[in-house]
Amino acid sequence: DAKTTQPNSMESNEEEPVHLPCNHSTISGTDYIHWYRQLPSQGPEYVIHGLTSNVNNRMASLAIAEDRKSSTLILHRATLRDAAVYYCILRARTTGGFKTIFGAGTRLFVKA
Amino acid sequence: DGGITQSPKYLFRKEGQNVTLSCEQNLNHDAMYWYRQDPGQGLRLIYYSQIVNDFQKGDIAEGYSVSREKKESFPLTVTSAQKNPTAFYLCASSAGARLMNTEAFFGQGTRLTVV
Repeated sequence: DAKTTQPNSMESNEEEPVHLPCNHSTISGTDYIHWYRQLPSQGPEYVIHGLTSNVNNRMASLAIAEDRKSSTLILHRATLRDAAVYYCILRARTTGGFKTIFGAGTRLFVKA
Repeated sequence: DGGITQSPKYLFRKEGQNVTLSCEQNLNHDAMYWYRQDPGQGLRLIYYSQIVNDFQKGDIAEGYSVSREKKESFPLTVTSAQKNPTAFYLCASSAGARLMNTEAFFGQGTRLTVV
């Protein structure tokens, strides 16, 4: 099965951009790349997803490598409210359905 | 407001007892999921359902059971066969499990402690 690898933690200063990397070297052609974030004792919140092209939304940007073996979530200006665990997830098609593969996530610390 | 609701937020049970966690959504989503999260870990899929009256095992289904009698509801029973049931349980829904480019919405979770 494809898996994702992320750094355990990262630190950023408030108002600065943050680049959160994710490796998924065994990704297959039909796997979508999703990012979610989770605050303590809460359910994960959707951030962004993509397949091949870079994507932008009001929360973040997703840059996907040309070979799709890695991706980067970009928060353009980190705020204290962005401090959370960020999960890079693959949604993969399987026989009879699908599979969602969660990594351990990156804990983002934001300093004022 | 539309959303996904899990109850209760905290649940305590004695070892050997079955316990059922509730998950309700009013988003008209076809697909629903149950995940388990242990401290400092990512989420692991327990069961998922793509349509009413149908569900499939995820990666860690042993010791758990589910039902999907209504579109809105996907309760999870943690049975006495589950060897280590203390965890944070998360329910989610999405418009369609086969549509991998859809967003999933998560509930706020139920923290189950078995003593």
